[in-house]
Amino acid sequence: DAGVIQSPRHEVTEMGQEVTLRCKPISGHNSLFWYRQTMMRGLELLIYFNNNVPIDDSGMPEDRFSAKMPNASFSTLKIQPSEPRDSAVYFCASSRNGMTSGQKLFFGSGTQLSVL
Amino acid sequence: GQQVMQIPQYQHVQEGEDFTTYCNSSTTLSNIQWYKQRPGGHPVFLIQLVKSGEVKKQKRLTFQFGEAKKNSSLHITATQTTDVGTYFCVNNNDMRFGAGTRLTVKP
Repeated sequence: DAGVIQSPRHEVTEMGQEVTLRCKPISGHNSLFWYRQTMMRGLELLIYFNNNVPIDDSGMPEDRFSAKMPNASFSTLKIQPSEPRDSAVYFCASSRNGMTSGQKLFFGSGTQLSVL
Repeated sequence: GQQVMQIPQYQHVQEGEDFTTYCNSSTTLSNIQWYKQRPGGHPVFLIQLVKSGEVKKQKRLTFQFGEAKKNSSLHITATQTTDVGTYFCVNNNDMRFGAGTRLTVKP
């Protein structure tokens, strides 16, 4: 069974460009989480979807960030325009039923984003 | 959401020494999870604690949940180089991670 799949693994872009990160959760999982990891801020929860609906987006930094989940097998995180301070590793994770007690997260390998 | 606090931030030990990381919350947690992230890797689920005072063991790892369900600890006996990584506790109420404890082990 395939795990959570993220693409691309690495992304280098210039400031001002649009960046789109992609995630395919584990089949049968109905909750999806986007996290950002930096040395300074650690692992931050950006947004959480349950059954394709955004439940908690309080962690989204600002309007430049947007996330969508058009169906149960695909999600995107978009940054437009990108800035150097957005450089980080972005993780996607899925679980069977979100924050229900006992639901563990399965993480993808992450996207290393560098904004020059 | 309520932030869980972890200490220490870093821990460097000699191989064979024990290691403990602590996780604290100002409010009662319904349950808590622990994850391990190897350098360059992604977080991997280790365990979940649910009951007050619960103690669970995985080989050399011992996980404990406080009686008041406001704190938790992870203890590693006789560390090995394979234990290197960052250990996170996670508030299962909101799936927000603590800052983590980075463990390095000198062979």
